[in-house]
Amino acid sequence: AQSVTQLDSHVSVSEGTPVLLRCNYSSSYSPSLFWYVQHPNKGLQLLLKYTSAATLVKGINGFEAEFKKSETSFHLTKPSAHMSDAAEYFCVVSPFTGGGNKLTFGTGTQLKVEL
Amino acid sequence: NAGVTQTPKFRILKIGQSMTLQCTQDMNHNYMYWYRQDPGMGLKLIYYSVGAGITDKGEVPNGYNVSRSTTEDFPLRLELAAPSQTSVYFCASSSAGYTFGSGTRLTVV
Repeated sequence: AQSVTQLDSHVSVSEGTPVLLRCNYSSSYSPSLFWYVQHPNKGLQLLLKYTSAATLVKGINGFEAEFKKSETSFHLTKPSAHMSDAAEYFCVVSPFTGGGNKLTFGTGTQLKVEL
Repeated sequence: NAGVTQTPKFRILKIGQSMTLQCTQDMNHNYMYWYRQDPGMGLKLIYYSVGAGITDKGEVPNGYNVSRSTTEDFPLRLELAAPSQTSVYFCASSSAGYTFGSGTRLTVV
């Protein structure tokens, strides 16, 4: 069994300040973890993924996430928020990589970026 | 490459009507999936397929049917539409990674 909990449903930051979106996971396996972003009325875009290689994962648009097994966490960060980062972010867990893996989604965090 | 193509993008159905959501991928992926996304929620798996001729239920299959006669196509059928099926539907395919379609926004009134 696997599950993922996104600890904040809404996060609001000022442009140019750091972003932290929190995610905890539970998995019976050594999981693969992902962050997806969804802009309004758009599909899902992969930001980054962890697949048991380096614990610090760098993604697109300056985002990165750190896999911490002891804390069962996979928090998403960005040093400096941009207006274009405003979107909904989903933390996702999968029991393994490759084809056939069924994804389990968190409930999402809505990121608001203010001037 | 078109990736994963979903049609239609929007649809309004009356209660009890039926419809088919189309999904086509051109990446020769064996694995295909249907998810639904309700407001304030993540995506939930409806059905999935590991190859042509093989389908299986996901987390929320009730009220839906699927078929997979070819590698490319994975249509989702709603037989008797209900207001609870108002949602955004995403089709996806995977090989090493997932590719999502742009979604179908369905409203049942």
